[in-house]
Amino acid sequence: QKEVEQDPGPLSVPEGAIVSLNCTYSNSAFQYFMWYRQYSRKGPELLMYTYSSGNKEDGRFTAQVDKSSKYISLFIRDSQPSDSATYLCAMFSGGYNKLIFGAGTRLAVHP
Amino acid sequence: DVKVTQSSRYLVKRTGEKVFLECVQDMDHENMFWYRQDPGLGLRLIYFSYDVKMKEKGDIPEGYSVSREKKERFSLILESASTNQTSMYLCASRDRTYNNEQFFGPGTRLTVL
Repeated sequence: QKEVEQDPGPLSVPEGAIVSLNCTYSNSAFQYFMWYRQYSRKGPELLMYTYSSGNKEDGRFTAQVDKSSKYISLFIRDSQPSDSATYLCAMFSGGYNKLIFGAGTRLAVHP
Repeated sequence: DVKVTQSSRYLVKRTGEKVFLECVQDMDHENMFWYRQDPGLGLRLIYFSYDVKMKEKGDIPEGYSVSREKKERFSLILESASTNQTSMYLCASRDRTYNNEQFFGPGTRLTVL
């Protein structure tokens, strides 16, 4: 079993939809959670970063962590065609321990 | 802005060739990483380096080696390329801040024939 599971999609939604992207994990030591966005032919870029459980909002993006269920989510409100990308979750236990990535979910937002 | 550059965007090599992938970062980061990215498998860590001349194996180091002679440059070497090393290779660097953010280069798409 992988440490981090993420549905690879692809996910196709109309412009303006609310998008929910999710990851589950098995290691209860993980405390730091990230979402990276990767456009086609580019490297991943950090989109959201959260520590422990709870929600974090940044514009149209909300990151949610439920440590009791070992489940994290990224919500995108009012999705735009420019949000079309692969979204990777990543997590680590602390300090300078290595990041563990999910497989990435490919999202397409069509006009 | 942090900039991580990789020497090639696309590379085609033949089985058995020695392949060098170069990565350069311009922000004086101590830590650098090499990943490969494959569909359905996500990013897998090949090697990382905490500092000049220091290296640590990641999860899939077999068939690869690395070199870090200067702080800004981290090279990945495929000693004898094989078809199962066809992949997207991503380099990243990290500052020693609390949030463990890694900055990625654009990637090198390597095809081994």
